[in-house]
Amino acid sequence: DAGVIQSPRHEVTEMGQEVTLRCKPISGHDYLFWYRQTMMRGLELLIYFNNNVPIDDSGMPEDRFSAKMPNASFSTLKIQPSEPRDSAVYFCASSLEGTVGYGEQYFGPGTRLTVT
Amino acid sequence: GESVGLHLPTLSVQEGDNSIINCAYSNSASDYFIWYKQESGKGPQFIIDIRSNMDKRQGQRVTVLLNKTVKHLSLQIAATQPGDSAVYFCAADNNAGNMLTFGGGTRLMVKP
Repeated sequence: DAGVIQSPRHEVTEMGQEVTLRCKPISGHDYLFWYRQTMMRGLELLIYFNNNVPIDDSGMPEDRFSAKMPNASFSTLKIQPSEPRDSAVYFCASSLEGTVGYGEQYFGPGTRLTVT
Repeated sequence: GESVGLHLPTLSVQEGDNSIINCAYSNSASDYFIWYKQESGKGPQFIIDIRSNMDKRQGQRVTVLLNKTVKHLSLQIAATQPGDSAVYFCAADNNAGNMLTFGGGTRLMVKP
């Protein structure tokens, strides 16, 4: 398996523009997570899905952020309109809930977003 | 809410020495903990995990110790190598599904 795939790897956009980040989880995994990483706040969970259904979006900063998972192999995180403070690395991770514990989360390579 | 933090932001060790990275958590209901390693430009990578019914778990060159009394866990790396240089995160579950709360990270620097 190629692991979790994210695109684009880098995104530079101007304030006010819409940004869409994409993720393909590992095949067969039933959990998908979106994280944001900054130097100031570290790694923050934004939202996670179980079997394509959003379970907890309490980490989504505000209404400008939205996430969808239309099927088991694809998810998007959208920011509209984007602001400079959204600049961060956004990670997608997936996992398979095992019989013991909660399963290891496999992270993608991340998307580095810069909003100017 | 849950908070997970690290005592030291940067740890510098000599190649071949053992490394110990510490982490504190706040939610006494957490029963699953993971250590991740993040190299520059990459996503976090699983190293080792431990459940709360254990106080020690060993992997290849790594050992995780869990002290539930003081809500503290540590990652020990034996014979640290240059390839171990990275940022290490601890994470704890919130006892409500697959959510993890991550600590702030400790940067491990290995001196040749």
